[in-house]
Amino acid sequence: DAKTTQPPSMDCAEGRAANLPCNHSTISGNEYVYWYRQIHSQGPQYIIHGLKNNETNEMASLIITEDRKSSTLILPHATLRDTAVYYCIVRPIDSNYQLIWGAGTKLIIKP
Amino acid sequence: DAEITQSPRHKITETGRQVTLACHQTWNHNNMFWYRQDLGHGLRLIHYSYGVQDTNKGEVSDGYSVSRSNTEDLPLTLESAASSQTSVYFCASGQGVTTGELFFGEGSRLTVL
Repeated sequence: DAKTTQPPSMDCAEGRAANLPCNHSTISGNEYVYWYRQIHSQGPQYIIHGLKNNETNEMASLIITEDRKSSTLILPHATLRDTAVYYCIVRPIDSNYQLIWGAGTKLIIKP
Repeated sequence: DAEITQSPRHKITETGRQVTLACHQTWNHNNMFWYRQDLGHGLRLIHYSYGVQDTNKGEVSDGYSVSRSNTEDLPLTLESAASSQTSVYFCASGQGVTTGELFFGEGSRLTVL
């Protein structure tokens, strides 16, 4: 079973920041938080990951709470092309890619 | 540019037929994976490989097999296709233990009639 809980769907206006929450209250100290997204009919795409500290790359920012029980993926200026299903996944450091996928959040960017 | 390709992209077959889905990556990644995705669900791991001659079962491996004779390819075989195996299949590859970044193919849509 997936170790994360995400809202099934969210809307966001184009040009605004999209904030996608993820609850992982049972996360252990050796587990990373990963985010992927899947645009309709395409293969999933890696976005970002983190362990304790907040992370930022060219696609998004990842904010992890101090107790690590939840996190938020931030797309700073959402575009229509960001409409996708976003998956939050926790993964042990030594698992060598045993990702367990939940149903994700369907993010719809509206013009 | 390096890439991962799957073929065929679409296939229709009959119950009981053997089907092989191809996956080829040019990143020279050691780790390769096969997932299936059913409507409205996340991905479920079928088989995976950490290198040549290494194969491992995932959570939904029954009815599927893989072989790894070189670094670039991990073909997925359905020995006797069943209607329950109608799905979209994704191949992925990655390198290293700590990054966890997987690169996915575009998927193969299989329909078993």
